[in-house]
Amino acid sequence: EIVLTQSPGTLSLSPGERATLSCRTSQDIDSRFLAWYRQRPGRAPSLLLYRASVRAAGVPDRFSGSASGTDFTLTISRLEPEDFAVYYCQHYDTSITFGPGTRVDI
Amino acid sequence: QLQLQESGPGLVKPSETLALTCSVSGYSISAGFYWGWIRQSPEKGLEWIGSVHQSGSTFYNPSLKSRVTISADTSKNEFSLKLNSVTAADTAIYYCGADSSVRWYFYWGQGLLVTVSS
Repeated sequence: EIVLTQSPGTLSLSPGERATLSCRTSQDIDSRFLAWYRQRPGRAPSLLLYRASVRAAGVPDRFSGSASGTDFTLTISRLEPEDFAVYYCQHYDTSITFGPGTRVDI
Repeated sequence: QLQLQESGPGLVKPSETLALTCSVSGYSISAGFYWGWIRQSPEKGLEWIGSVHQSGSTFYNPSLKSRVTISADTSKNEFSLKLNSVTAADTAIYYCGADSSVRWYFYWGQGLLVTVSS
């Protein structure tokens, strides 16, 4: 079973700053099977990126994703107030697994 | 616009069966898509439970497979989750989700807190 590790656990930033979030997989994976979600307080997760770097419908272009081996990165170029939330990476093979999340705090 | 809404009891007794329904509006479940369940607890984080395709094919988390049944009712345009022999560890917010891909979920319900307690 592939394990997802996210870092840092918490990222403290200010509006307008750049956020870089990491997701590391325990084995090499097909990047087409990795997604990122944002979960705002009291809400369901919301799909941001799929296939590691493709923005889901309606997702602003300040969100971008990249992959290098077992390392996947979500970058938010300029933090907006609604971006202070928890971010999860998610992998699919024959089952879906989520990472433990990174909290982006003000 | 596809919308999902979970319903069911908020309190289930240990050893009993947790049964939830997800009502779908804005889209016919018989037209396609994968319809799934995900839960979230402080202890386990986000945990995928499983999904059903409009064809009837089902996909389950191996760790829950022995206790889970997910099915779709096209006449009611809804799908359901049954989880047997629940314990306190099954206490969580349960979400239903949907997507054209089996790999992730674009559409989510608002979530339903289910507590397992006597």
